Amino acid sequence: DTGVSQNPRHKITKRGQNVTFRCDPISEHNRLYWYRQTLGQGPEFLTYFQNEAQLEKSRLLSDRFSAERPKGSFSTLEIQRTEQGDSAMYLCASSLVGVYTEAFFGQGTRLTVV
Amino acid sequence: AQSVTQLDSQVPVFEEAPVELRCNYSSSVSVYLFWYVQYPNQGLQLLLKYLSGSTLVESINGFEAEFNKSQTSFHLRKPSVHISDTAEYFCAVLRNAGGTSYGKLTFGQGTILTVHP
Repeated sequence: DTGVSQNPRHKITKRGQNVTFRCDPISEHNRLYWYRQTLGQGPEFLTYFQNEAQLEKSRLLSDRFSAERPKGSFSTLEIQRTEQGDSAMYLCASSLVGVYTEAFFGQGTRLTVV
Repeated sequence: AQSVTQLDSQVPVFEEAPVELRCNYSSSVSVYLFWYVQYPNQGLQLLLKYLSGSTLVESINGFEAEFNKSQTSFHLRKPSVHISDTAEYFCAVLRNAGGTSYGKLTFGQGTILTVHP
């Protein structure tokens, strides 16, 4: 297993376009998280899945954002009608269920909205 | 809700000097504490964690952090840094909900450690 994989690594898009990012977690991990990191800030929680169920969404996740994990394996994060303020690094992490289990992060997808 | 404050956004230091990266947190419930490191063009990696037990925790590459409940701090230290320690370091907390948690981390703003030769 090569860890958490995110694609694409970089995405440049024009304002108003839709974009979709993919995250492939570590294969046996049933928890999956999305975070957003803007310049000079730490990662901020966006949403969380346990298997295919989306169990929590941050208020940061506006109506233009949607995340799915259809078969409890990979996940997609879509942003509709992108805005310049959406420019950020989008991070995915995965972990096992348990009292405490380490979250492993992918390298992220850097989105630039021009 | 939890919050994390990293008191220094940038820390420049010379090689072989000691370093301390400061982290304070706020939480109304018990938390687990973490330091993550992000090397250039790489993902976040767990450096060390405090879950319970001894308040002093160590990493395999010489970093240590001490949980201070009264001061709500979890400062990261290394007695002698190397060029290869240059990276961004993030302090994070995880809500400990009666011994279980689903893993939603709250991060500080990050501290960029730059080690000069």
